[in-house]
Parts: sequence; structure tokens; C-alpha cells
Amino acid sequence: RKEVEQDPGPFNVPEGATVAFNCTYSNSASQSFFWYRQDCRKEPKLLMSVYSSGNEDGRFTAQLNRASQYISLLIRDSKLSDSATYLCVVNGAGGTSYGKLTFGQGTILTVHP
Amino acid sequence: NAGVTQTPKFQVLKTGQSMTLQCAQDMNHNSMYWYRQDPGMGLRLIYYSASEGTTDKGEVPNGYNVSRLNKREFSLRLESAAPSQTSVYFCASSEVVGGDYGYTFGSGTRLTVV
Repeated sequence: RKEVEQDPGPFNVPEGATVAFNCTYSNSASQSFFWYRQDCRKEPKLLMSVYSSGNEDGRFTAQLNRASQYISLLIRDSKLSDSATYLCVVNGAGGTSYGKLTFGQGTILTVHP
Repeated sequence: NAGVTQTPKFQVLKTGQSMTLQCAQDMNHNSMYWYRQDPGMGLRLIYYSASEGTTDKGEVPNGYNVSRLNKREFSLRLESAAPSQTSVYFCASSEVVGGDYGYTFGSGTRLTVV
């Protein structure tokens, strides 16, 4: 089982839509969780951290369910500029992953007019 | 602008050639990393350096070596390039290993081995 798994999509949504991405992780001892955004042929950039109580940053809401080892990202009122690949990232805990970020394969989002 | 700088941005090698990818950060971060990204595979950790003077293997270290030259610089060397090493390579840094603030990435090196 992969350490971090995401639905690769692609998700194609119209402007203004709400879209949700899901992610599961295998190591229950993982401590830190993030969503990164990666534009085509660019480097990944931190979108937001994910906290146990859930957190919001403008149109973006991230949630963590430790019991189910599940992370989600909700984007409301999608914009054309939200088109990108969204990477679920977990701070590894154990073995060679300890303390280092482990990345999911990414979910592709395309927002169309 | 502060950040992580990688050179070169693009490189084509013949099988068996060697090269070094350079990475430098000016954020006074302690930890640095090398990842490779392949289609459908996500980013995979090659090597990392928790602090100046230390290096450790990641998930896919075979065929690579690294040097943490000083606190700012962390280089990745391919001694004998193989087509399987065709990939996009990203260097990243963070304040510490396991920190809660995420990583800052360089813009990547696109390497093709023919």
C-alpha cells in the first residue's frame, strides 16, 4: 500500500463549482499534513497546512480525520486560476520516511469557463 | 528574492555520462532534500541532509550521490547516467527535518538521458 494515496482525477469543473479532493495515508503515527499546489512544469508550492480541528483559508478548507487516516481539501467558488495539480503531503513517521515529506501522486484539477 | 536556486534548468546526457546538479538556498534552513518526479509516481525522495555535515538516503538513492557543501548548498551527482534517471529533479529546503512549515522548492532540473 502506498504511504499516501490520492485519486489522480482529472477533475473537470466549471467556474464557480465546489470540488473536493480526498487523500488517505498509511502511517498512523504521521504528525503533519499539507496540501501543495503544482502548476504545469513548475515546482510544488505550499497551499496550506492541515490541522486536526480543520482549517480554512479563503475559498479553501482542509480537514483531517486521524481515526480514518484521511485528509480532504475543499475548494469553493472555483476560479480558472485554480487549475493545477493538488498534492497531498504527509510528514512521514517511521523507517526511511521519518521526518520527511511523503507526496501523493497528485490530483489534476481543470476549471473551465 | 529569497528561495531555492537550482542549476541547470535543463540537461541532456548520454548514457554513461556524469553530471552534478547544484542547489543553493538563502533562507538559513538547516535541512535540504533532493526529490525526483516522474509521471504517475509523485515526488520521491532521493537523499536528504538534516543539517550541515550529514546526509542520508531516501526512498530511491541508487545511482546518485550527494554532498552538503555548506549550510547553503546541497549537490546531487549522477556518476553514470542511465535512461531510467530521466526525470524532473527538485531540490527543497526546510528549517528542520520534520518541521511543520513545509518545504520550499527550487524550480527544478529537467534531465533527459539518451
